[in-house]
Amino acid sequence: AQSVSQHNHHVILSEAASLELGCNYSYGGTVNLFWYVQYPGQHLQLLLKYFSGDPLVKGIKGFEAEFIKSKFSFNLRKPSVQWSDTAEYFCAVNALNTDKLIFGTGTRLQVFP
Amino acid sequence: DAGVIQSPRHEVTEMGQEVTLRCKPISGHNSLFWYRQTMMRGLELLIYFNNNVPIDDSGMPEDRFSAKMPNASFSTLKIQPSEPRDSAVYFCASSLGRRETQYFGPGTRLLVL
Repeated sequence: AQSVSQHNHHVILSEAASLELGCNYSYGGTVNLFWYVQYPGQHLQLLLKYFSGDPLVKGIKGFEAEFIKSKFSFNLRKPSVQWSDTAEYFCAVNALNTDKLIFGTGTRLQVFP
Repeated sequence: DAGVIQSPRHEVTEMGQEVTLRCKPISGHNSLFWYRQTMMRGLELLIYFNNNVPIDDSGMPEDRFSAKMPNASFSTLKIQPSEPRDSAVYFCASSLGRRETQYFGPGTRLLVL
């Protein structure tokens, strides 16, 4: 069965620190990849997505992610986090032989001023 | 566009009562998804529709749960009878196609006492 792993469950950073959140998936075929963010008490919002083309994808609020096919990874990065980035981050994968979007368990990010 | 609209935003009910959650997808989107989010299980896909037809309901926990999509602009998720373990946030999402980006509604926070 397809699965998505987010190894960092809880990350605590100070403002201006760099961020990298890991995401690995288990499907070997063609995939669509997503990162969603959920701010406290709010719904999921799309941060960025990869369907094809340049494996380095830029999203909103200074976030980017790199698709490395050989490693089945789609890690999320931000060079300098802000307090307002405090949220839960979900990686999601849609294998193209299925309609389902499989979510990781999420990473809770806390940024302290 | 108003985005995905869900109602009610909060629901508190007693065990055994019927609960109906409502969703209006983004106009023009032909795929609709119902998710449940809990601390223990994360985000789970319950059921999804394509062109108003249920495609996969394998995530529906049991017969107490049912979902309908009578037309392209409205869907309901019903729990009858409700139980305390159904307490969760229920999200509706819609997309242009079955494998396109999903846009989430604000969710319904359900508490069953």
